[in-house]
Amino acid sequence: KDQVFQPSTVASSEGAVVEIFCNHSVSNAYNFFWYLHFPGCAPRLLVKGSKPSQQGRYNMTYERFSSSLLILQVREADAAVYYCAVCQNRDDKIIFGKGTRLHILP
Amino acid sequence: DGGITQSPKYLFRKEGQNVTLSCEQNLNHDAMYWYRQDPGQGLRLIYYSQIVNDFQKGDIAEGYSVSREKKESFPLTVTSAQKNPTAFYLCASSISGQSVSYNEQFFGPGTRLTVL
Repeated sequence: KDQVFQPSTVASSEGAVVEIFCNHSVSNAYNFFWYLHFPGCAPRLLVKGSKPSQQGRYNMTYERFSSSLLILQVREADAAVYYCAVCQNRDDKIIFGKGTRLHILP
Repeated sequence: DGGITQSPKYLFRKEGQNVTLSCEQNLNHDAMYWYRQDPGQGLRLIYYSQIVNDFQKGDIAEGYSVSREKKESFPLTVTSAQKNPTAFYLCASSISGQSVSYNEQFFGPGTRLTVL
C-alpha cells in the first residue's frame, strides 16, 4: 500500500537543529514535499524536490525512499505540524503523511 | 490578490442534512483538490479534479460529492451518507493536474464542519 510515514511528535529546545524524518512505500515516487501547518490556517510549502535543497532555515535531505526536514535555529514560533508528502507519478497524486507535531521545550 | 478562498471558516449542521463547502481560486490553476484532516490522521484526499468538467475519487470519497463546472470553483458536498462528517476540510489547487511531481499545491484556510 502506498503510504508515507513520519513520527507523530518531535520535541526540541530553542536554538537547536531539529530533524523530522519521513519515509515511504509509494510506488513510482518522484518528489518529496514538506509543508508547515498551523492548525486553522492554510498549509504552506517549505521545501520540495528530488535532491537535497534549502530554503532559509529549512533544509531537506533526499534519498529514494526517505527524506528529512531540518529546521535550523528552531524558535518557539516553529511549534506547528509538519507534513511530509510524496508525489506518485503514476496517478499524479500527492500522498501525505500523518504529520509531525513539533513541540518547543521551555 | 491571488489565492484560494474557502467559506465559511466554521460551519454547523444538523445530522442528516447535506452541506456544501465552497472553494474558489483565482490563480488560474487547472487542478483542485479536497482534503479532510482529522486528529492523528493527517491530510486524506477526498476528491480531485485535474481539469474542468472532470474529477476523480480520492482515498475517502464515500459520502461526498463534487462538481467542477468552472475552472475557479470546486465545491464539496458532504452528504448525509458520510458517517463521520465532523472534521477540518482543506481545499487546494495546483497549476496543472499533470506533472504533479513538480507542482506545489496551494491551500485555502480551511472550513471546520461540525455536525450536531
